[in-house]
Amino acid sequence: QKEVEQNSGPLSVPEGAIASLNCTYSDRVSQSFFWYRQYSGKSPELIMSIYSNGDKEDGRFTAQLNKASQYVSLLIRDSQPSDSATYLCAPRDGGATNKLIFGTGTLLAVQP
Amino acid sequence: GAGVSQSPRYKVAKRGQDVALRCDPISGHVSLFWYQQALGQGPEFLTYFQNEAQLDKSGLPSDRFFAERPEGSVSTLKIQRTQQEDSAVYLCASSLLGTGIGSNQPQHFGDGTRLSIL
Repeated sequence: QKEVEQNSGPLSVPEGAIASLNCTYSDRVSQSFFWYRQYSGKSPELIMSIYSNGDKEDGRFTAQLNKASQYVSLLIRDSQPSDSATYLCAPRDGGATNKLIFGTGTLLAVQP
Repeated sequence: GAGVSQSPRYKVAKRGQDVALRCDPISGHVSLFWYQQALGQGPEFLTYFQNEAQLDKSGLPSDRFFAERPEGSVSTLKIQRTQQEDSAVYLCASSLLGTGIGSNQPQHFGDGTRLSIL
């Protein structure tokens, strides 16, 4: 059973702070990794993708990947109350199809 | 349309009834996925289509679940003889390319169908 582990939270940070979300995965063959944001009652929305070891920055978001440690993280700088949501880590399955294996998500609460 | 469209948004059925959930992917997208999301959990894979071919149905929980995409565009997920444990949000996602070359393509999700079985 391929697993993705995330701290369910809630992770509470003050407005303007850096939020750090972490994820570990079991499938050593995974090559593509995605972070989705999901507001309550809404569908997952893609915010970041990363395929190579190291950091990838996009605006206030930075994804970090370490395949040797099977670890991927998401940093959100200058956190805003509108960032309050569940963040889902989703490695792509290393098998024949491109299905995503989701963690349970981390609930982020940004306090104004 | 611009995004993945799912209907109905909400479906309430009595235990034992059959239901059909529809997904209209982004135009031209080759890959179509169905996921099931239980309350407080992440989405779980159900099945995958590349055009009209169902290449992976390993996530379907029982033979009561059936999916099709006969013309390689719209897909229907059918659940027969529904049970209470089938209550969940059913999400459809599509991506532009197929397997292999499409491995880095992001999946775009619809708003889901919230299914409640009484």
